[in-house]
Amino acid sequence: GAVVSQHPSWVICKSGTSVKIECRSLDFQATTMFWYRQFPKQSLMLMATSNEGSKATYEQGVEKDKFLINHASLTLSTLTVTSAHPEDSSFYICSAAEGPNYGYTFGSGTRLTVV
Amino acid sequence: QKEVEQDPGPLSVPEGAIVSLNCTYSNSAFQYFMWYRQYSRKGPELLMYTYSSGNKEDGRFTAQVDKSSKYISLFIRDSQPSDSATYLCAMSPSGTALIFGKGTTLSVSS
Repeated sequence: GAVVSQHPSWVICKSGTSVKIECRSLDFQATTMFWYRQFPKQSLMLMATSNEGSKATYEQGVEKDKFLINHASLTLSTLTVTSAHPEDSSFYICSAAEGPNYGYTFGSGTRLTVV
Repeated sequence: QKEVEQDPGPLSVPEGAIVSLNCTYSNSAFQYFMWYRQYSRKGPELLMYTYSSGNKEDGRFTAQVDKSSKYISLFIRDSQPSDSATYLCAMSPSGTALIFGKGTTLSVSS
């Protein structure tokens, strides 16, 4: 089945620094990828839709200048958390689908801790 | 009313029991329905995928979609301790991002 690889699986960074998270579709091309955020014991909340070759679409309340998304190829989308603060500490997960007749596959997630 | 409603549980059952998990939704435009299993600190794992109404079976798992009632279910037969996890329902109109339920925490005791 489809595989989505996400790196790193966990990262600790200092407040004020930036962190980049990569999401790759390993055996299929994905023109669209999605970035979610999950707080402890809560469900996944969509942050943005990443479109290959064009600007990402952000959900209401998500700062596009803080969460930079780049979808430069059909197999790679990156999320950069800029000037990270402790409140940005969360579990970030990406997903993609092979096509309309397939379910969405998720990456393994990235646990970000900002200290 | 939230778009997708799911009882968070927790739900505790003995090993071998049949488990029934459910979600209701309000958006009649939803066409794609999925169930995910998520272990602690891991990404969600796709269990079942259904388009439109109907039933789908895969091993011990059966997914049902009733669009007339806006109600979806996941049944787990012969539940095992390894099934202990959070189960998330998710749905989408078409080719767009998923809307998730809050997830139901399941515990299967041996």
